[in-house]
Amino acid sequence: DIQMTQSPSSLSASVGDRVTITCRASQSISSYLNWYQQKPGKAPKLLIYAASSLQSGVPSRFSGSGSGTDFTLTISSLQPEDFATYYCQQSYSTPPWSFGQGTKLEIK
Amino acid sequence: EVQLVESGGGLVQPGGSLRLSCAASGFTFSSYEMNWVRQAPGKGLEWVSYISSSGSTIYYADSVKGRFTISRDNAKNSLYLQMNSLRAEDTAVYYCARAVINYYDSSGYYYFDYWGQGTLVTVSS
Repeated sequence: DIQMTQSPSSLSASVGDRVTITCRASQSISSYLNWYQQKPGKAPKLLIYAASSLQSGVPSRFSGSGSGTDFTLTISSLQPEDFATYYCQQSYSTPPWSFGQGTKLEIK
Repeated sequence: EVQLVESGGGLVQPGGSLRLSCAASGFTFSSYEMNWVRQAPGKGLEWVSYISSSGSTIYYADSVKGRFTISRDNAKNSLYLQMNSLRAEDTAVYYCARAVINYYDSSGYYYFDYWGQGTLVTVSS
């Protein structure tokens, strides 16, 4: 099974900062990588699919990049509503599909 | 508007059973593949099970294989998860999630575009 590892596990930043979260797969997954945002008590929300495609309605300050085993999610200028937990997820081949352990983004 | 509404969660003793439901509306349910994803309290997301649009193809995570059964009723726009032989480690919020395959560059990219609000399953004596 493919293991997904995110770094860092938690991150403190300020409004207006540029933030990057990293996700690494245990084997090559091409561009079969998605990013989700989850706020406390809420369901996850899709941000990025296919490593770099922005889901409809998601602000352009969110971007994704990478292929193979290494991927990044970047928020260009943090807004107050962006403080949440972020998960990467691989959808390579058939299930099982796995998520990273999450990165909690907190206000500094 | 796409809506997914889970129900059926609750408190159950170890070894017991529970059936979760997910009522779908706002889209053609029979055209979409569906999944269950769970989240233990304070933990990350764990994919649980997948079912194709027709119900003919099913997958399970190893952690639930042989104990959980996913099914769907396209006439009722509903997804189900029958959970048997429940264990304490099955305690989690269970989400149903709609799946989309987006084809470009001769590849199909699969992701969960809509999620329900979740239903809490607590396994405890």
